[in-house]
Amino acid sequence: DAGITQSPRHKVTETGTPVTLRCHQTENHRYMYWYRQDPGHGLRLIHYSYGVKDTDKGEVSDGYSVSRSKTEDFLLTLESATSSQTSVYFCAISDRGLGRVNYNEQFFGPGTRLTVL
Amino acid sequence: GIQVEQSPPDLILQEGANSTLRCNFSDSVNNLQWFHQNPWGQLINLFYIPSGTKQNGRLSATTVATERYSLLYISSSQTTDSGVYFCAVERGSYIPTFGRGTSLIVHP
Repeated sequence: DAGITQSPRHKVTETGTPVTLRCHQTENHRYMYWYRQDPGHGLRLIHYSYGVKDTDKGEVSDGYSVSRSKTEDFLLTLESATSSQTSVYFCAISDRGLGRVNYNEQFFGPGTRLTVL
Repeated sequence: GIQVEQSPPDLILQEGANSTLRCNFSDSVNNLQWFHQNPWGQLINLFYIPSGTKQNGRLSATTVATERYSLLYISSSQTTDSGVYFCAVERGSYIPTFGRGTSLIVHP
């Protein structure tokens, strides 16, 4: 299994508070992703990173920011949490392009369940 | 953006039965993966299959890229196969698009 951990695994917080979720990998993969999973929507990409300090927005990036200061860590921050951000958050990694053009096989972490009251 | 439709949305089987799950997509893709989300929420890679056929034990998958669909076959289903099966496609935009999944329940 790919070495991906997420912390915390569960968090309950109140509206308006800042929250940071951490994704840590031991695979030295270049690409890292943050998704949210909600009933009826499947998984949707929030932000992704293609290297240290290199990040870009995904489909549902409003209200979220990310940072990647080291290859192994990708942080997702909710500056001021809202109830609409209650969700399960998944981190994924991939060694995109390795050996093949367009190759992008993703591996997922265990997820973080966030509840915003 | 690219549209991904999975069918059926729900499937209930008796242990030992076979099934076929389908993933249709609206445009040509560079990447396609199948995942199994188990009842504990973990997303498990099943196949990376942008084209062709692969097999892994009781599971196999076929992607016909020119006709824009992929099939996941589960033979001799077991209760541990229960969960939600997702396909995810990418058209080279670096933004994968997931289908809404097929929820599978296998009864003993």
